[in-house]
Formats: sequence, C-alpha cells, structure tokens
Amino acid sequence: NAGVTQTPKFQVLKTGQSMTLQCAQDMNHNSMYWYRQDPGMGLRLIYYSASEGTTDKGEVPNGYNVSRLNKREFSLRLESAAPSQTSVYFCASSGGGLITGEQFFGPGTRLTVL
Amino acid sequence: GESVGLHLPTLSVQEGDNSIINCAYSNSASDYFIWYKQESGKGPQFIIDIRSNMDKRQGQRVTVLLNKTVKHLSLQIAATQPGDSAVYFCAENDAYKYIFGTGTRLKVLA
Repeated sequence: NAGVTQTPKFQVLKTGQSMTLQCAQDMNHNSMYWYRQDPGMGLRLIYYSASEGTTDKGEVPNGYNVSRLNKREFSLRLESAAPSQTSVYFCASSGGGLITGEQFFGPGTRLTVL
Repeated sequence: GESVGLHLPTLSVQEGDNSIINCAYSNSASDYFIWYKQESGKGPQFIIDIRSNMDKRQGQRVTVLLNKTVKHLSLQIAATQPGDSAVYFCAENDAYKYIFGTGTRLKVLA
C-alpha cells in the first residue's frame, strides 16, 4: 500500500495563478484532511472531509476550496494564489468517526507563491 | 478558542539520556490525544496515542502520560538516540478533526 500520496511535491506559482493539489489514499479511510504548515508553526487545518460527500471548513479556509472526488481522493484548490499561501501543504486521512484514531500523513507539497 | 500548546520549543538531550516533551491542552472535553514525530522534509508520523480514560500508555521506548486534572500531556523517550532528533507534536481530538500544538524540536547531542 502506498498510504497517502500527494502531487506535486514542489510548486512555484506567481501571484494570481491557480492550481490544484492532489491527494489520494489507498487505506479505505473515511476521513481526509488538508493542513498547511508554516515555518516554526504547527499544522493548521484548512478543510476536512469527515466522509465521502461532505466537506467542512477548518481553521484557515480562506482562499482555498476542496473537492472530495470519491472515497480515495481529496483535492485542494487555490483559485488565485497569494504570497501568504506560501507554505508546506499536508494531506492526511483517518478511519473516521467521532474518535478518529491515527491520522496518516502524505509527504507534503512545498508551495511558493511569488 | 480551544488550543494545544507546548512549554518548550527546543529540547537538547544527551544521547542515551531520557527525554521528556510536554504539552498543555485547554479543552477539558478532549478524549483522545496523539503524539507525532516529524523529521525534516517529511510528513508527521504517529508515535503513540492515549484515550482520556487512561493515565499512561507505553510503547517501544516511549511512554505517554496524561494528567486530566491539569490538562497536561507528556511524551517520554527512553535512551534517546540520534534518530529521535525531530520535531514532536501533540494533537487533541475535537470531534472529527484534530488541534495540533506548535511542536518541540528535540536535538540529540552525541
């Protein structure tokens, strides 16, 4: 099993450009998450999907949109990138439920917005 | 809002010594906690978890202690090794999601 995979690994955008970060998991997990991690800071939740067909805002959703394409895939879209969105983005998944259990993380996408 | 924080941003420990990393949480209703390890350039990796009906849980070389009275969580690493050098995060469960602390960097000195 590959676990959680993310593409791309690195990306450089100009201000105003758009892009979609892809995430897939092969563990048959119900819940999926998108986080951003800035230097010297912890993980901040952008959006999450508790189950297929549902998405909810996290702590820092502004400037982002998500799509839970199916049970395996959860994408994050930046419609008009801003320098403040320069960060490392992590996707994660877990079995789900009110007590979610361990989250499995992908390797991250390093995004720079110029 | 509810938050999870850490007391020490950086901890330096001699190789072979025990390490203790602390975490304070503010949501007394949290019922599940996880410790993660993050090596440079990688995503966080699960170390150990504990539910609120437990005070202590042991893994291989790691122990998590939970003190619900003072809302405090700690991670103990026995016989710290160079491979333990990383940033360690605690996280508390909040319904369908988690709240992460800012992390503590553990440096292992040879």
